[in-house]
Amino acid sequence: DIVLTQSPDSLAVSLGERATINCKSTQSVLRSSNSKNYLAWYQQKPGQPPKLLIYWASTRDFGVPVRFSGSGSGTDFTLTISSLQPEDVAVYYCQQSYVIPFTFGPGTEVDIK
Amino acid sequence: EVQLVESGGGLVQPGGSLRLSCAGSGFTFKNYWMSWVRQAPGKGLEWVAHIKEDGSEMYYVDSVKGRFTISRDNAKTSLSLQMNSLRAEDTSMYYCAAAGRSWGTFDYWGQGTLVTVSS
Repeated sequence: DIVLTQSPDSLAVSLGERATINCKSTQSVLRSSNSKNYLAWYQQKPGQPPKLLIYWASTRDFGVPVRFSGSGSGTDFTLTISSLQPEDVAVYYCQQSYVIPFTFGPGTEVDIK
Repeated sequence: EVQLVESGGGLVQPGGSLRLSCAGSGFTFKNYWMSWVRQAPGKGLEWVAHIKEDGSEMYYVDSVKGRFTISRDNAKTSLSLQMNSLRAEDTSMYYCAAAGRSWGTFDYWGQGTLVTVSS
């Protein structure tokens, strides 16, 4: 199974500052046939289901604010929130769909400093 | 508006059975692979099962193989999860999720239904 690790476990960032979350995979999730990385990012707020933010490592889902961006390829990925807003307080998960079983990272908790 | 509404959760004894349901609306249900994803209290997300648009292929995480069965009824736009031989470690919030943007990427999620396995 592909194991995803995330760092840091948690971070506190001042409003308007940048937040960066890393996700590392035990094997590449890049499919050579279409050059797409099967890596997604989700945001989960307390008491709510997860919400898709980014898929194919860097494609923002419909309606997701532009301050959220994804980057990386192969085994190393990053989610960046360019200017943290109060509504961004949440746990963020990466997930691979390159191979079954689909797996999630352990999550990174983002809070306001 | 897209809606996924789960039901069927509750308290069950170890070794017991439970059937979860998920009603979908606001999107073309028959065009989406569907999954169940669970989250133990205070823990992270775990994918459980995945079913093809027409119900012809199903996949499971190893820990539930032989105990859980995913199924769907496209005419009723509904998804089900039959859970047998339940264990304490199956205690979780169970979410149904629709995958459409990309293989295995979950575009839409329900609010979840809580399953508690305890004597």
